[in-house]
Amino acid sequence: QKEVEQNSGPLSVPEGAIASLNCTYSDRGSQSFFWYRQYSGKSPELIMSIYSNGDKEDGRFTAQLNKASQYVSLLIRDSQPSDSATYLCAVNMGGQYSGAGSYQLTFGKGTKLSVIP
Amino acid sequence: NAGVTQTPKFQVLKTGQSMTLQCAQDMNHNSMYWYRQDPGMGLRLIYYSASEGTTDKGEVPNGYNVSRLNKREFSLRLESAAPSQTSVYFCASSRSGTGGYTNSYEQYFGPGTRLTVT
Repeated sequence: QKEVEQNSGPLSVPEGAIASLNCTYSDRGSQSFFWYRQYSGKSPELIMSIYSNGDKEDGRFTAQLNKASQYVSLLIRDSQPSDSATYLCAVNMGGQYSGAGSYQLTFGKGTKLSVIP
Repeated sequence: NAGVTQTPKFQVLKTGQSMTLQCAQDMNHNSMYWYRQDPGMGLRLIYYSASEGTTDKGEVPNGYNVSRLNKREFSLRLESAAPSQTSVYFCASSRSGTGGYTNSYEQYFGPGTRLTVT
């Protein structure tokens, strides 16, 4: 059974702090990992993609991947109230699909982040 | 470049009525997807189309049908709406295909349709 697990939160952090969001996945053969941000009443927006072990930085965002531990995380530095949203972790579990299904993403249920001014 | 567009934005149906949700993308993507999102359930895949001319069932296909009209357009039809189909529906697309591009799996979402069935 394919699974992507996230702590539902809410995760509350003060403005200016580092927010740490975590995600675990069940398929050891997974190769592609994504973080989406979803504001209330809006659609998911892709903010980070990561494919290799280690860290990937983009502005205030850092994605971290550890395939051995089947763990991916998102760090948000200098958190701002505008970062308050639900963050969805998505994984391409290509090992579980073949052919037409191989591009599917499995989404976690999301972690709600609140940045307190 | 509008990305992924969906119509309508809001819809209210009575039980038993039918409707079609429309989705179009202008990114020349090969694959398109329909999801529903319900509180506490996350995003669940209804149907997808890996490429023009193909469609496949996702996690929750019952009560829905789809048509991949051409490379740009992918519609979702509810033949006989039920209250359990009250949800927010999102269309997404991804490049997919051959070529080994690292961004092949990135999915981009439309703004969504909020559907209420009474």
